[in-house]
Amino acid sequence: DQQVKQNSPSLSVQEGRISILNCDYTNSMFDYFLWYKKYPAEGPTFLISISSIKDKNEDGRFTVFLNKSAKHLSLHIVPSQPGDSAVYFCAAGDSGTYKYIFGTGTRLKVLA
Amino acid sequence: SQTIHQWPATLVQPVGSPLSLECTVEGTSNPNLYWYRQAAGRGLQLLFYSVGIGQISSEVPQNLSASRPQDRQFILSSKKLLLSDSGFYLCAWIDRDRSHRHFGAGTRLSVL
Repeated sequence: DQQVKQNSPSLSVQEGRISILNCDYTNSMFDYFLWYKKYPAEGPTFLISISSIKDKNEDGRFTVFLNKSAKHLSLHIVPSQPGDSAVYFCAAGDSGTYKYIFGTGTRLKVLA
Repeated sequence: SQTIHQWPATLVQPVGSPLSLECTVEGTSNPNLYWYRQAAGRGLQLLFYSVGIGQISSEVPQNLSASRPQDRQFILSSKKLLLSDSGFYLCAWIDRDRSHRHFGAGTRLSVL
C-alpha cells in the first residue's frame, strides 16, 4: 500500500516556465512533508519542507503548497532552469516518529 | 560541519556472496541513522533505522541485516545476496532539529 504517491513519473518543462510537481498521501496522521532532489548516482538532497500547520512555504524559486483536505502537496519551481533537471521525491510522515515515507519520484527535465 | 560517508560507491557481487556496506557520520553525536534502498522504478524504501549503538529497527522483512557497532557507524550486511537485492543503497542521518534527513552519496549494488 503506497501511502505517498507521485503519479507522474516524468515531466518536461521549457526553461523559464513553471514546473509543478505533485504528490498525494493517504495517511491523515502525517504532519510533516518534504521535497528532495536527486541527481543520478548521488544521494538525495533536501529542498524544502512544510509542516501541517502551514499551507505554503517559499524558498527562493521553490514553493511548496499543502492542501490538507485533499491530502495533496505540490512543488512549484519558478522559473525553471536546466540545472533543475533531476528526480524529485516527496516524503511525508509523522514528525514525532521521524519515519518519513517517500514517493516513487518524478523525473523533471527542463529544456533549454 | 556534519558529513556522511558511504562506501563503496559501486559494487558488483555474484548471487550467494556476502555483503557489507559501511556508512559513517562525522561532526555529530548520537545521530539517528537510516538505510534506504532505491530499486529501479521505485521510490526510496526505508530498510533499517537506528537510534543508538546496538539498536536496530527493521522496516521490511528481507535478506539484509544492519548493525551499529559504534555511535557514528552503520553497516548493512547480507550473508547471501539475491538478485532482488540489486539497487541503490543510501545511508542517511537526521538533522539536529530533526526536520530532515541528510543522505550519503549512495552505493550502486548489482547482483549478478
